[in-house]
Amino acid sequence: GQQVMQIPQYQHVQEGEDFTTYCNSSTTLSNIQWYKQRPGGHPVFLIQLVKSGEVKKQKRLTFQFGEAKKNSSLHITATQTTDVGTYFCAGPQGGGSNYKLTFGKGTLLTVNP
Amino acid sequence: DGGITQSPKYLFRKEGQNVTLSCEQNLNHDAMYWYRQDPGQGLRLIYYSQIVNDFQKGDIAEGYSVSREKKESFPLTVTSAQKNPTAFYLCASSIKRGTGESPLHFGNGTRLTVT
Repeated sequence: GQQVMQIPQYQHVQEGEDFTTYCNSSTTLSNIQWYKQRPGGHPVFLIQLVKSGEVKKQKRLTFQFGEAKKNSSLHITATQTTDVGTYFCAGPQGGGSNYKLTFGKGTLLTVNP
Repeated sequence: DGGITQSPKYLFRKEGQNVTLSCEQNLNHDAMYWYRQDPGQGLRLIYYSQIVNDFQKGDIAEGYSVSREKKESFPLTVTSAQKNPTAFYLCASSIKRGTGESPLHFGNGTRLTVT
């Protein structure tokens, strides 16, 4: 079945440093979604990328979808303590009545103030 | 405000007992999902339902059961057959679109501890 792999598993940075997490799928994806889970919280949807080579920005966050639609990245510029949490990518399996999302294992980001 | 309600937040049970986790949504979403989260394991899909009175097994369905009698409700029962039931359980829902590619909205989760 489809697998979604994410690296690194953990990343610790000093406040102000940049951060990047990478996501790779074993199959071509129709779209990829990113979620953030704060410590003790639940995952919250951040963004969905659909087009090959797509780049989207949300303030200090930049999301990219690979040309082959098998990989994606999330880059945070100048991290802040509010960025702490686990970032997950997720890719869809199936479609129509059999639609489900497969999540990567996530990257836990900690930020030292 | 619309959202997904999971209750209770914390649940403790003795080994050998079945336990049912509640999930209710008022978003008018067609699809609902149950995920299990363990440290370092990400989110693993247990069961999902795209429409009332229909549901499918996810990747780790053994030892679990669900029902979808109402659009708003998707309770999960953790049975005594589940070998390692202690985990954080997350319920989610999404709009059912033609392409089936809509984002998930998650509840706050139920942390189940079985001793």
